[in-house]
Amino acid sequence: GAVVSQHPSWVICKSGTSVKIECRSLDFQATTMFWYRQFPKQSLMLMATSNEGSKATYEQGVEKDKFLINHASLTLSTLTVTSAHPEDSSFYICSASGREASYEQYFGPGTRLTVT
Amino acid sequence: RKEVEQDPGPFNVPEGATVAFNCTYSNSASQSFFWYRQDCRKEPKLLMSVYSSGNEDGRFTAQLNRASQYISLLIRDSKLSDSATYLCVVNSFYNQGGKLIFGQGTELSVKP
Repeated sequence: GAVVSQHPSWVICKSGTSVKIECRSLDFQATTMFWYRQFPKQSLMLMATSNEGSKATYEQGVEKDKFLINHASLTLSTLTVTSAHPEDSSFYICSASGREASYEQYFGPGTRLTVT
Repeated sequence: RKEVEQDPGPFNVPEGATVAFNCTYSNSASQSFFWYRQDCRKEPKLLMSVYSSGNEDGRFTAQLNRASQYISLLIRDSKLSDSATYLCVVNSFYNQGGKLIFGQGTELSVKP
């Protein structure tokens, strides 16, 4: 099946710094990538949808200037959390879909961000 | 009102038990429906799609009632390895190419 990787798997950073999370589709071309956030005991919430070469579409309530998404190639999307605060601590998960993967969304293993 | 609502958990059942999860969704335009499984601190994994005619995969049976906007998952002969959080997911597109809306999940704990 299609494989999606994320890096790093976990990160601890200080308040005010920026953190970049990478999402890669390893064996298919991901025309669309999705970024989700999950707080403890809560559901996955879609943050944004990005199509290769286009600007990301953000969900209501998600600050696009704080969560920068870049989808520059068909195998890589990045999420940068700028000026991180403790309330940004969460589990960030990406998923990818594309024609080669029958448009099913394949999830990455997630990145656990802790902001101190 | 949440777009996708599930039974509150956790469900604690003995091995071999049959357990049923319920889910309702608010958007009547939803086109496709899924059950995902999520283990602690892991990403969600697709368990099965749900079709109007109902579908079965081994010990798992999923049902969809579009009129009631209701989805169910039945697990028979529970195994210890079934312990996880089960997520009800709907999509406004025919396949998973669109936006997935996740329920809050129902935690299942299967005890020996």
